[in-house]
Amino acid sequence: AQSVTQLGSHVSVSEGALVLLRCNYSSSVPPYLFWYVQYPNQGLQLLLKYTSAATLVKGINGFEAEFKKSETSFHLTKPSAHMSDAAEYFCAVSTGGGNKLTFGTGTQLKVEL
Amino acid sequence: DAEITQSPRHKITETGRQVTLACHQTWNHNNMFWYRQDLGHGLRLIHYSYGVQDTNKGEVSDGYSVSRSNTEDLPLTLESAASSQTSVYFCASSPALAGGNEQYFGPGTRLTVT
Repeated sequence: AQSVTQLGSHVSVSEGALVLLRCNYSSSVPPYLFWYVQYPNQGLQLLLKYTSAATLVKGINGFEAEFKKSETSFHLTKPSAHMSDAAEYFCAVSTGGGNKLTFGTGTQLKVEL
Repeated sequence: DAEITQSPRHKITETGRQVTLACHQTWNHNNMFWYRQDLGHGLRLIHYSYGVQDTNKGEVSDGYSVSRSNTEDLPLTLESAASSQTSVYFCASSPALAGGNEQYFGPGTRLTVT
């Protein structure tokens, strides 16, 4: 079985500050890992994904995430937050065939002036 | 451009009624999924399909059913709506390739059961 834990259901940062959203996974086999973003009243949009190539993955809108097997983590970062980054962020894990995803409970990011 | 659409976007229904939520994708993806989103639970898988005539139960399938008669559509039916099924429902699709493919999501349907 696979699972995802997102620490912190709400994170607040100042505009221009570092964004760090935490994700830890549990999987008995090498995982595929994803970060999705959801803006209000919209569906989910892929930010980035890890598929066993480079451990540092760059995504859209300046976000990146690093796969750390020893820590079973896939934290999402952005060096400088922008007001437009305010949204809900979901980490998800898949362990192969069929591309079924297991989602974390989400982190709501608030960006303040 | 290829897309995935859901209808209706908003629905209010009464307890005990049958409700069908539509999902249509033009990506030509074999894999399709239905999730529900609730505060504190993230997205939970209801049903999924790997191709025409194939359907499978997810972790929260009780009270829901799906059918897949063509590649493009995977309608979700609530056989007898309950207040516990008030939620936002998302449909998604992905190609049927080896693992690691992202899912493409529709805009969601907000369902209220009164």
